[in-house]
Amino acid sequence: DAGVIQSPRHEVTEMGQEVTLRCKPISGHNSLFWYRQTMMRGLELLIYFNNNVPIDDSGMPEDRFSAKMPNASFSTLKIQPSEPRDSAVYFCASSFAGYQETQYFGPGTRLLVL
Amino acid sequence: EDKVVQSPLSLVVHEGDTVTLNCSYEVTNFRSLLWYKQEKKAPTFLFMLTSSGIEKKSGRLSSILDKKELFSILNITATQTGDSAVYLCAVGRGGGADGLTFGKGTHLIIQP
Repeated sequence: DAGVIQSPRHEVTEMGQEVTLRCKPISGHNSLFWYRQTMMRGLELLIYFNNNVPIDDSGMPEDRFSAKMPNASFSTLKIQPSEPRDSAVYFCASSFAGYQETQYFGPGTRLLVL
Repeated sequence: EDKVVQSPLSLVVHEGDTVTLNCSYEVTNFRSLLWYKQEKKAPTFLFMLTSSGIEKKSGRLSSILDKKELFSILNITATQTGDSAVYLCAVGRGGGADGLTFGKGTHLIIQP
């Protein structure tokens, strides 16, 4: 079975550019989570969706960050404009509703903003 | 504010040793505590604990939760170099707040 799929795996961009990260959850999972991991702050929840609906976006750092889930098999996290402090590994995770703690993580996107 | 604190932050032991990793938490509406292993990639799920005093075991790994004292431990016996990783503790909340709150992790290095 395919796990959570993320693309791109690595992204290097310049400050001010728009960045779009993509995620395909495990088929049948109806909860999707975006996390960010840095050395300083560890792994932090940014936003999560249940049945394609955003439930909690309190972890989104600021208005430069936005996330969408247009259907059950696809989600995007967009940063516009990007800044060097956004450099991190961004993980997408998915789970079955009712088992939301047992989340399966994608391989992550390593983002570097110069 | 919810808080998950892991100790030690890093640990170096020799192959064959037994290690104990600690996780304490302060979380409103606690529902579960989870352990993940992270090598140079995504975290992979190890255990989920919801009840105090019941040990979960998988091979050489085991974990237990104390909901009164608000902590959990992860034990690894007869360690191997393949156990080298960052071990993450996370807490799940009830009441519709479904995202996990993670600790900073324990970086475990097993020397041959």
